[in-house]
Amino acid sequence: ETGVTQSPTHLIKTRGQQVTLRCSSQSGHNTVSWYQQALGQGPQFIFQYYREEENGRGNFPPRFSGLQFPNYSSELNVNALELDDSALYLCASSLGAGGEPSYEQYFGPGTRLTVT
Amino acid sequence: AQSVTQLDSHVSVSEGTPVLLRCNYSSSYSPSLFWYVQHPNKGLQLLLKYTSAATLVKGINGFEAEFKKSETSFHLTKPSAHMSDAAEYFCVVSDASQKLVFGTGTRLLVSP
Repeated sequence: ETGVTQSPTHLIKTRGQQVTLRCSSQSGHNTVSWYQQALGQGPQFIFQYYREEENGRGNFPPRFSGLQFPNYSSELNVNALELDDSALYLCASSLGAGGEPSYEQYFGPGTRLTVT
Repeated sequence: AQSVTQLDSHVSVSEGTPVLLRCNYSSSYSPSLFWYVQHPNKGLQLLLKYTSAATLVKGINGFEAEFKKSETSFHLTKPSAHMSDAAEYFCVVSDASQKLVFGTGTRLLVSP
């Protein structure tokens, strides 16, 4: 069974640029959630995708967008990067099944984004 | 809205002594609660979860947590700390749509 993988591991971008982060979910999982973890803080929920549809969004502006593909992998896109977007971006996969809150979410190792 | 409060930002113990990491929750219904651990420069690993089946939950690496509704608490314990337990620990509550709400984290320091 393959775990959650993310690419790239590290990324350095300039303010104003755009970035795409990728996530492959664990085998059999149909739900992917994205979180932003700023230095020294707990992760903050960005959004979730369930069977290719956005299924909830946190308090993040529209320049944060995403996609989920038929194989349940996912992308996080951030436009017009700001310095405060520097963070560890984590994706987590789980079984959605209509939103059972007790299902475990399995996290990938994260992508460290630095905006200069 | 659901939330969790981790009462200590740092906890220091000696190797071989007990560990107690404290968490209080706020939820309008029976919550799903989790503890995750994050080692430096690593992703998050699930330690254990509570889903109303049993109030005492056993997890990996000797950790356990007890759900106390009357105290709205979900404290994490381990009888004997190991050097490898040094990490950041997050108490987490899940809402109905599986959105995870994280606490601010407790850094566990283990000295020899």
